Amino acid sequence: EIVLTQSPGTLSLSPGERATLSCRASQSVSSNFLAWYQQKPGQAPRLLIYGASSRATGIPDRFSGSGSGTDFTLTISRLEPEDFAVYYCQQHGGSPRYTFGQGTKLEIK
Amino acid sequence: EVQLLESGGGLVQPGGSLRLSCEGSGFTFSSYAMSWVRQAPGKGLEWVSTISGSGGSTYYADSVKGRFTISRDNSKNALYLHMYSLRAEDTAIYYCARDAVRFDYWGQGTLVTVSS
Repeated sequence: EIVLTQSPGTLSLSPGERATLSCRASQSVSSNFLAWYQQKPGQAPRLLIYGASSRATGIPDRFSGSGSGTDFTLTISRLEPEDFAVYYCQQHGGSPRYTFGQGTKLEIK
Repeated sequence: EVQLLESGGGLVQPGGSLRLSCEGSGFTFSSYAMSWVRQAPGKGLEWVSTISGSGGSTYYADSVKGRFTISRDNSKNALYLHMYSLRAEDTAIYYCARDAVRFDYWGQGTLVTVSS
């Protein structure tokens, strides 16, 4: 089983700052199969990034993804008030078919 | 516009059964695999099950294998999750999601509570 470990668990930043979220896999993940989601309280998750670096439809360009192998990063270049939420990485492959990281909570400082 | 609408959640006793439904619209339903993902209260996301577009292939998380059955009716644009032998640890919001190797569209979720 591929385990995804996200860090930090909680990130406290102010609007306008840059956020860098990490997702580390226990074994190599195909970049084609690494995605990032945003979840706000009481809402379903929303796809942000797929294929490690491709933005989903309607996602602002302040969101970017990078990485390969076992280390992946989600960067929010300049935080807007609506960006404070929980972020999950997710991979596809092997067994189980999909796994998620435990999440990073991005909170307002 | 792609829409997914779940239904069927509720309160069930341990050992009981429940069937969740998800109706899709705004896309060619049979062209996509579909999945169920759950989230226990205050916890993270857990993939539960996936079914191929034709319904011919199904996949399950070990935590539900042998107790849950995923199915679909493409004539009705409907996805189902039949849940048996429910346990307290199955308590969660259950989301259906369109599966394109990533989950690109999600429903609003339906809450399943397993409690006596």
